[in-house]
Amino acid sequence: EAAVTQSPRSKVAVTGGKVTLSCHQTNNHDYMYWYRQDTGHGLRLIHYSYVADSTEKGDIPDGYKASRPSQENFSLILELASLSQTAVYFCASSGLGGQQDTQYFGPGTRLLVL
Amino acid sequence: DAKTTQPDSMESTEGETVHLPCSHATISGNEYIYWYRQVPLQGPEYVTHGLQQNTTNSMAFLAIASDRKSSTLILPHVSLRDAAVYHCILRVFSGGSNYKLTFGKGTLLTVTP
Repeated sequence: EAAVTQSPRSKVAVTGGKVTLSCHQTNNHDYMYWYRQDTGHGLRLIHYSYVADSTEKGDIPDGYKASRPSQENFSLILELASLSQTAVYFCASSGLGGQQDTQYFGPGTRLLVL
Repeated sequence: DAKTTQPDSMESTEGETVHLPCSHATISGNEYIYWYRQVPLQGPEYVTHGLQQNTTNSMAFLAIASDRKSSTLILPHVSLRDAAVYHCILRVFSGGSNYKLTFGKGTLLTVTP
């Protein structure tokens, strides 16, 4: 069974503060992804990575940075948190990233920015 | 982006077989059809996927129309644990090596005892 863990599971941050969300996978997967989900809506891709020390922009990268220091770890960084970044954030991993590759998701991090 | 259309909600009773429809009229020849489900406070869970042929696994049966413009996820003998939002997703190649998943609102399946 694929294993993706996220920390923290929930966080309250202040506007303008720095927030770091962490993701760890034990699947030996090359690809990792960060999505956000707003209440009542689907997931949207923020950043992804297919190799350590390299990240790529997804559909909504503004206001977010990503870091992939190793194959197992992928972080999402909000340098200056804003109210609009209140959401649930999901990390996922997959193998080769091909059309048939299944993405496995973590449990999510609920972020509230005040 | 390729889009899918699903009903907002469906209701069922425990033990029934549920048919969840999905329309994808503009699907491209190389796009796979993926199904994920999500329960509150949890991340999406992979259910199944297919390209042209019907597929089956321990969770569900995926029926794909011969023209690939629609598909149906069939859940046999549903239980309360099957209550979730079911997402029908087309796997889109978005450049480089990224095959992203684009989630919509999905279908909320309610299961009653």
